[in-house]
Amino acid sequence: AQKITQTQPGMFVQEKEAVTLDCTYDTSDQSYGLFWYKQPSSGEMIFLIYQGSYDEQNATEGRYSLNFQKARKSANLVISASQLGDSAMYFCAMREGQGGGSQGNLIFGKGTKLSVKP
Amino acid sequence: KAGVTQTPRYLIKTRGQQVTLSCSPISGHRSVSWYQQTPGQGLQFLFEYFSETQRNKGNFPGRFSGRQFSNSRSEMNVSTLELGDSALYLCASSLADARWSYNEQFFGPGTRLTVL
Repeated sequence: AQKITQTQPGMFVQEKEAVTLDCTYDTSDQSYGLFWYKQPSSGEMIFLIYQGSYDEQNATEGRYSLNFQKARKSANLVISASQLGDSAMYFCAMREGQGGGSQGNLIFGKGTKLSVKP
Repeated sequence: KAGVTQTPRYLIKTRGQQVTLSCSPISGHRSVSWYQQTPGQGLQFLFEYFSETQRNKGNFPGRFSGRQFSNSRSEMNVSTLELGDSALYLCASSLADARWSYNEQFFGPGTRLTVL
């Protein structure tokens, strides 16, 4: 079973509008971290935002916010006021466990290709 | 502060050859992880090194190997290349032990390997 599921292979959004990229995850660990990365066509993965499983508040970083619903195991990324430069692939990722119980590697979803229309 | 650098950026090899990719982490970072990205399989974890020790390895054949030097620079080697090894190979560095759930990983631009 997939540990990270991104159900939207591609999405379009109008410039200046908000967009939500979906991510659901599967883990039996109580302690885990959720990440969102942006990958432009150049290939470099750019860290956007992090949410810890014990964080009670949704994470926010500038125009990015994470809608964390722990019971539903979802961690959707919300981008407000989309810009043309936001066009890229977006990946949701999870790191399970903490300390000695974790393998440390990130588990990625398949990604969502976001296209911002002028 | 310089970011993660990877060399070379592009590489073309033929089947059966071997290849070595290099990754220089951000200064002060001791953990280096390698990932393979292909259109079919997506992003998959290869291995992670921390303080010159391989701590974790993904589900890849033994043809894939790596090492880390005392200055934290890392190399990965793929022997007996196959067509399916064509991919973007991404390196990521982090300051602390990668096992901690909050441990931001900074990625390099990747090396795009094409196997003919």
